[in-house]
Amino acid sequence: QSALTQPASVSGSPGQSITISCTGTSSDVGSFSLVSWYQQHPGKAPKLIIFEVTKWPSGPSSRFSGSKSGNTASLTISGLQAEDEADYYCCSYVRGGTYVFGTGTQVTVL
Amino acid sequence: EDHLVESGGGLVQPGRSLRLSCVASGFPFENHAMHWVRQFPGKGLEWVSGLGANRDVAAYADSVKGRFTISRDNAKSSLYLQMNNLRPEDTALYYCGRDRGGLVDTGTIESWGQGTLVAVSS
Repeated sequence: QSALTQPASVSGSPGQSITISCTGTSSDVGSFSLVSWYQQHPGKAPKLIIFEVTKWPSGPSSRFSGSKSGNTASLTISGLQAEDEADYYCCSYVRGGTYVFGTGTQVTVL
Repeated sequence: EDHLVESGGGLVQPGRSLRLSCVASGFPFENHAMHWVRQFPGKGLEWVSGLGANRDVAAYADSVKGRFTISRDNAKSSLYLQMNNLRPEDTALYYCGRDRGGLVDTGTIESWGQGTLVAVSS
């Protein structure tokens, strides 16, 4: 149950697009379309922003989108805004019936 | 709207036990799998354990297997985590979370509590 691998940090200027990768194995990300993404602001609980690779929990979001290719899932934030500055975590179902989180990515808006 | 409230955290010596509780409201508790997820002082999240809606399937991270036991009381809309033989590396903020579905198989934790802090130290 090794953690999924994410870049430690990603930054961008307001209005730009950034992409966060989440790399797993054929036992998790590569075999199931069951990847979710969470946003966490300091001192707050994580908040679900994407599930099942591409779906939004509360209707379409024009700025957060997800994708997957092979063993790597990705989260793209378009039109970066100041309030997007937070930590982001991916999560995947793992063959055998457990879940695993990513190592987390700190997003900085320059 | 979902409301999850954890309790039971505290400072405990290595080797001792602690029982966490989570009371849920705002959704049909008996229809959803539930989880415990912890966040270490260095910020990383770790999935700890999950339990199906019907208490039929319990799953654990390797790091806690054999030491932690997850359970639930659907009549009380409550989730529990019995933690035995605690280690300093168990020190973390423990979150309770609601799964999207009734089994531990969706990869999605839709809502989260605010967490309860566990510190293991002599």
